[in-house]
Amino acid sequence: GQQLNQSPQSMFIQEGEDVSMNCTSSSIFNTWLWYKQDPGEGPVLLIALYKAGELTSNGRLTAQFGITRKDSFLNISASIPSDVGIYFCAGIYNQGGKLIFGQGTELSVKP
Amino acid sequence: DTGVSQDPRHKITKRGQNVTFRCDPISEHNRLYWYRQTLGQGPEFLTYFQNEAQLEKSRLLSDRFSAERPKGSFSTLEIQRTEQGDSAMYLCASSSPGQNTGELFFGEGSRLTVL
Repeated sequence: GQQLNQSPQSMFIQEGEDVSMNCTSSSIFNTWLWYKQDPGEGPVLLIALYKAGELTSNGRLTAQFGITRKDSFLNISASIPSDVGIYFCAGIYNQGGKLIFGQGTELSVKP
Repeated sequence: DTGVSQDPRHKITKRGQNVTFRCDPISEHNRLYWYRQTLGQGPEFLTYFQNEAQLEKSRLLSDRFSAERPKGSFSTLEIQRTEQGDSAMYLCASSSPGQNTGELFFGEGSRLTVL
């Protein structure tokens, strides 16, 4: 079935640094989304992307829908301690289809 | 709080017992989803309802699993004859007809431990 490969699996950074993570697939996706999950909580939507090449920002977060429709990246600028958590990419490969999640990137931020 | 509500938050059971989880979606949301998440992995789709109709079921949803949404509001997920491999976080999510597909609101999850 369709799979999303996320990298890196984990990151340890210093507060104030910028972060970049990405997600790739062997299949074309119509929609890409990025979610964040804190311990003991459900995922929370950060950014949604609906068109190839689309670049969208939400505060310090920027995400892009790859032009090939097989990848997406998420950047976090000037990281702060509350950015700690697991970031998941998710995608939908056909209209009305289910949301498929990547394996997650665990972010740790040192103050 | 008007978010997605799940109950119970934690359940410990012995192998072979039945368990049931409940999800109350955001009130005006007509779509309801169940996902399963194991440690170190992303959520995996189990099933999806639009109103009371169950529109899609994953192959992960074996015969021991059944989900219902009888009145198109809350949903239940029952696991019969639990196995240790069923230990996971069971996440419920909802979305409204006006939202783009994929924009899901998740509950806090029900964590199942099967001994």
